[in-house]
Amino acid sequence: NAGVTQTPKFQVLKTGQSMTLQCAQDMNHEYMSWYRQDPGMGLRLIHYSVGAGITDQGEVPNGYNVSRSTTEDFPLRLLSAAPSQTSVYFCASTTGSEQYFGPGTRLTVT
Amino acid sequence: GQQVMQIPQYQHVQEGEDFTTYCNSSTTLSNIQWYKQRPGGHPVFLIQLVKSGEVKKQKRLTFQFGEAKKNSSLHITATQTTDVGTYFCAGIFGGTSYGKLTFGQGTILTVHP
Repeated sequence: NAGVTQTPKFQVLKTGQSMTLQCAQDMNHEYMSWYRQDPGMGLRLIHYSVGAGITDQGEVPNGYNVSRSTTEDFPLRLLSAAPSQTSVYFCASTTGSEQYFGPGTRLTVT
Repeated sequence: GQQVMQIPQYQHVQEGEDFTTYCNSSTTLSNIQWYKQRPGGHPVFLIQLVKSGEVKKQKRLTFQFGEAKKNSSLHITATQTTDVGTYFCAGIFGGTSYGKLTFGQGTILTVHP
């Protein structure tokens, strides 16, 4: 099993550009989530999904969209990148207890 | 909103000293999890506590969940350089999804040899 995979590992965007962060898991987990991590602020939940076709907002959803068309994939879309979205993004999946995190995407918006 | 507060933000110890980090919530938690993140890495699950007053041990690590299910602690006995990293607590509030963890700010542990 590859677990949770994320691409790309690093990305630099200019303000106003859009992009999609990819996340996939091969463990057949129902629940998937996106977090952003900023220094001193822990991990903050952006969006999460409780199954294919079902998504909901977390603590900091503005500027991000998600969809969950399959159990395996949970992409995160940045609609119009802003410098405030410079962060490390983690995707995670779980069946209901232990969360498995991907390796993260380090995003810089200039 | 529902928050989990974690202290201290930083802890520097000499190898062999003990270390404790604390988490507090203003509202009752359904359960609490603990994660460790090595520098440059991703969070890795350590344990989940579910029951009021629960205490669990993993070698030198002791995890506690308060009687009111509003606070938790992680204690490391006789730290080693391999314990370096950031320790996070993460709570699930009653009635919310398992996909919706609320993380504390984390405690960054430095161990001096």
